[in-house]
Amino acid sequence: GENVEQHPSTLSVQEGDSAVIKCTYSDSASNYFPWYKQELGKRPQLIIDIRSNVGEKKDQRIAVTLNKTAKHFSLHITETQPEDSAVYFCAASPSGGSNYKLTFGKGTLLTVNP
Amino acid sequence: GAVVSQHPSRVICKSGTSVKIECRSLDFQATTMFWYRQFPKQSLMLMATSNEGSKATYEQGVEKDKFLINHASLTLSTLTVTSAHPEDSSFYICSASTASGYTFGSGTRLTVV
Repeated sequence: GENVEQHPSTLSVQEGDSAVIKCTYSDSASNYFPWYKQELGKRPQLIIDIRSNVGEKKDQRIAVTLNKTAKHFSLHITETQPEDSAVYFCAASPSGGSNYKLTFGKGTLLTVNP
Repeated sequence: GAVVSQHPSRVICKSGTSVKIECRSLDFQATTMFWYRQFPKQSLMLMATSNEGSKATYEQGVEKDKFLINHASLTLSTLTVTSAHPEDSSFYICSASTASGYTFGSGTRLTVV
C-alpha cells in the first residue's frame, strides 16, 4: 500500500517568513496530492491540491510543487501569519474524486511567532 | 456543495457500552465513505472503507466485529463502536469522495470512561 512520509514534524517560523513542508510517497500509481490544515478538534480543511499532470500550483500565499520522478511534493507558505499556525497534513491517492482512499502523512505542527 | 454532516460531535460513554456515529451526505450521493480515527497529536488513520449496499473493507489491525460499519443508503453511513473501552477514546472522522476531491465530516470526539 501507499506510504507517505512528511517532514518536519514541527516547524517554527517568524511572522513574515516562509515555511516549507515536504512529503514523499511510495506508490507510483498515486496521482492526487492534497494538503490539509487542521486546527485542534476540527476537521481537515483542504488548502491546496495538485494532480500528477501538473508540476506546480499556486494560490495566493500558498504553493505546492510535485516531482513525480522523485515521488515527492512540497507545500510552500509565504509571508506567514500567526493564523497560519496549525497542523498541516499531506496526503496521496491514486485518484482524487473517486473511491480510492487517501493516505496521510504524519503531520507538521506549524507555529508562526508574531 | 458536497457537505457531510457527522453526529454526534461529542459523546461520553461508559466502558462496555456501544456508540453509534452517523455521517450523512447532504447534497450528493456518497457511494463510498471512509472512516478515520485520529489519536491526539497523531495523523488520520484509515479504519475502513464502506460501500453502499456491500460489506465494508477494513484496514489491517482494525477489528471488524468491534467497529461495525453500515452503509445502507447513498446518503448515510454509520460506525458503531461496540463494547467500548477507554483505549477506543479518540477522534473519529468520516470522509466521502466527490467529483473534485474529498469532503470530511466535522468529527466525533469519543470519550470512554
